[in-house]
Amino acid sequence: QITLKESGPTLVKPTQTLTLTCTFSGFSLSTSGVGVGWIRQPPGKALEWLALIYWDDDKRYSPSLKSRLTITKDTSKNQVVLTMTNMDPVDTATYYCAHRLRYYDSSGATRYYFDYWGQGTLVTVSS
Amino acid sequence: SSELTQDPAVSVALGQTVRITCQGDSLRSYYATWYQQKPGQAPVLVIYGKNNRPSGIPDRFSGSSSGNTASLTITGAQAEDEADYYCNSRDSSGNHLEVFGGGTKLTVL
Repeated sequence: QITLKESGPTLVKPTQTLTLTCTFSGFSLSTSGVGVGWIRQPPGKALEWLALIYWDDDKRYSPSLKSRLTITKDTSKNQVVLTMTNMDPVDTATYYCAHRLRYYDSSGATRYYFDYWGQGTLVTVSS
Repeated sequence: SSELTQDPAVSVALGQTVRITCQGDSLRSYYATWYQQKPGQAPVLVIYGKNNRPSGIPDRFSGSSSGNTASLTITGAQAEDEADYYCNSRDSSGNHLEVFGGGTKLTVL
């Protein structure tokens, strides 16, 4: 059974750096084809993809936030950490981590999707 | 702005069929993945790939695609299907980045 849980501060001040940890079970981030992503959702708004890290340490970032984001993994601890610098009130959101899985479609092409999500953690940015 | 465009809101009568659409250039090359999100809950995967349902998702949910448009169809909508639905796919940059649509709020009347 795959589970993920986000943890970190619920309140950060503007200009501070946010560090969020995704602790997971039921899979290994050293297994080929597996990844973990971060997605956020401001209150009442849409989902926004932030970052991805794969089993081979390939990392991808949202272009609009790339300069502020860093994603790392600790395979031995079953954790993925996301840091976001220079926090602003507009970054107030629920932050989710999600398990990403590779599969092959009928033509043999490599595809991915997020199948399991954490419960999310609300981060408020305010002075 | 999102590279995937969804109608903000759609309604359907109980038991009827509804189609929720997602438009974007990247959908010509990549399938959309669909998520259902109810208030206060995390998103739940409902469709991935050409038309694949995870275990536990009712078969009234189906996916399809044509050109730059992906669709999620609910055949015989139930009250419990009232939720926000989001599409997700690769973006059109070719850099293996992800993008979500703006979401569609489905109301079951």
